Amino acid sequence: GENVEQHPSTLSVQEGDSAVIKCTYSDSASNYFPWYKQELGKRPQLIIDIRSNVGEKKDQRIAVTLNKTAKHFSLHITETQPEDSAVYFCAADTNAGKSTFGDGTTLTVKP
Amino acid sequence: GAVVSQHPSWVICKSGTSVKIECRSLDFQATTMFWYRQFPKQSLMLMATSNEGSKATYEQGVEKDKFLINHASLTLSTLTVTSAHPEDSSFYICSATNLQTSNQPQHFGDGTRLSIL
Repeated sequence: GENVEQHPSTLSVQEGDSAVIKCTYSDSASNYFPWYKQELGKRPQLIIDIRSNVGEKKDQRIAVTLNKTAKHFSLHITETQPEDSAVYFCAADTNAGKSTFGDGTTLTVKP
Repeated sequence: GAVVSQHPSWVICKSGTSVKIECRSLDFQATTMFWYRQFPKQSLMLMATSNEGSKATYEQGVEKDKFLINHASLTLSTLTVTSAHPEDSSFYICSATNLQTSNQPQHFGDGTRLSIL
């Protein structure tokens, strides 16, 4: 089955700096890669996603890059703000819609 | 759009009780629903995949007789934790998608925090 590894497990940045979270996956059949933000005790919220036919996608301060050959994808947050502090999960999906999640990254943005 | 409602949000009950959690897609038809379990500071662990009108597919290590899943309609799936014990205490989250219209993304419910005394 699919295996998703996510790094780092914790990340602390100063407000205004950039944050980068990286994930690797094992199953070449995975074709959809969502990123979720989860605040304590709440549902995961989709913040950005990318499909396997695209190399990069950007939405305001958030961007995701995908390298299919190397089987890795990354989340980039620029101009971080304290409200960006949360746990971020990457995931890899197949056509069956089944997600395999990374272990999560706890991002802390210090004011 | 794509709202998923999960109920109840919080349950406290005695050991040995069975607990039912409902997951409803409010504005779309969910051909597939997923049930996850999440321990504190850990990732979402998929328990089972539920397809409308058929038996759920359980992940390895998940007891199907312990965690009963029913997906009788395109808008409702239920998870029943039978004879719950303290080790079943966790955060349970459902998600829903329609693989016929768009196989991604999943839409998550708000989760149910289950505490067994």
